[in-house]
Parts: sequence; C-alpha cells; structure tokens
Amino acid sequence: DIVMTQTPLSSPVTLGQPASISCRSTQSLVHSDGNTYLSWLQQRPGQPPRLLIYKISNRFSGVPDRFSGSGAGTDFTLKISRVEAEDVGVYYCMQATQLPYTFGQGTKLEIK
Amino acid sequence: EVQLLESGGGLVQPGGSLRLSCAASGFTFSIYDMSWVRQAPGKGLEWVSAISGSHGYYADSMKGRFTISRDNSKNTLYLQMNSLRADDTAVYYCALHYGSGSYDYWGQGTLVTVSS
Repeated sequence: DIVMTQTPLSSPVTLGQPASISCRSTQSLVHSDGNTYLSWLQQRPGQPPRLLIYKISNRFSGVPDRFSGSGAGTDFTLKISRVEAEDVGVYYCMQATQLPYTFGQGTKLEIK
Repeated sequence: EVQLLESGGGLVQPGGSLRLSCAASGFTFSIYDMSWVRQAPGKGLEWVSAISGSHGYYADSMKGRFTISRDNSKNTLYLQMNSLRADDTAVYYCALHYGSGSYDYWGQGTLVTVSS
C-alpha cells in the first residue's frame, strides 16, 4: 500500500498569515494514464471531509483561491495564502492513484 | 444538487452484522463509482471499499467480512458488514467519484458502534 506522510501534524497560525502543509508518498503517484491523483481534503470540526484540491493543483468548485496545491511525483504541498478563521480544521492529503486509496494522518490547523 | 445520505448505523455486539445504506440524489447514480470511507473516533480517514460497475474492492482488513453493493433502481449504495469487531467502530461515510479523480462529494456519515 502507498503510505502518505504529512508534516506538520499540527500548525498554529496567526490570522492573515500563510500556512503550508507537506505530504509525501512512499511511491510515485503518477498513474498509467498520466494523471497524478493527489488531492487535499478539509474537515472542519463536526463536519464530513470536503474536497479542496484535486490532481495536485486544481481547486474544486467553490474553493477560495487562497488555497493552492503544488508538487509532483512523491512530494506535494498545500498552501493557504492568508488563513481565515473558517479554515480551522484538519487537512488530509489523499492518493487515488492505486487501490487501496490512502490518506495522510491529517494536519490540524488552529489559530494562535 | 448532489446529496448523499447515509443510514443504518447503530450499536451492535461484537460478531454481529449491520447494513449501511447511502441514498444518492442530484446526479445519475448508475454511472459513477462510489466508495465507503470510515473514521474512528478522534482518528483519521480510512478507505473501506469501492464499487465500480458491479465490481467491489476492499481494504485488506475488510475482505471477507464486508460487501459493497448498489441498487441503481433505488439510487442507493450499501455496505453489508459481518463479523464486526470493536475496531470497526467509526463514522462511515459514503463518497462519490464525480470526475475529479478524487472524492468530490461526501455524505454526513453514520456512526457504527461495536460494543458488548
């Protein structure tokens, strides 16, 4: 199975400041079809997960442009340009390149 | 508007069975792959099972115990869970692959508690 490792696991951030989360996979996430199925999910407290970013860098419908994704191969990053109060929650990277799909451990974003 | 509504969770004794349902609406259910993902209390997300057409795929720890199925006439996804163990206690979410290559939409989840 592909193991996804996120850093940091906790990220205290000041409102209006940037935040960054890294995700590393144990093998390349490039699919045989040429796509890289790495996505980022947000889970606010008491809510189900919500798709933010898919295929490394594509924002899902309705996601603010302060969220951006980057990376390639086995190393990926989620950036929030200016953290807002509504961004508090846990962020997961997920790979859907190979079954079983796997998730990172989650990074808890909190406000300082 | 895409909607996914899970039901069927509850308290069950170890070794017991439970069937979860996920009622889907707002899209053409029959043509999309669907999955179940679970989250133990205070823990992260764990992929459980997926169905593509009528073919099911399972995480190793669920193989032989869980069965995923769908009824396209009822726009409903199912997860039959047998031989339940305490470590199956979790919120179970159904999730939809809608074209992004990820899980575009998630239900609100249904809690399964396995305890004597």
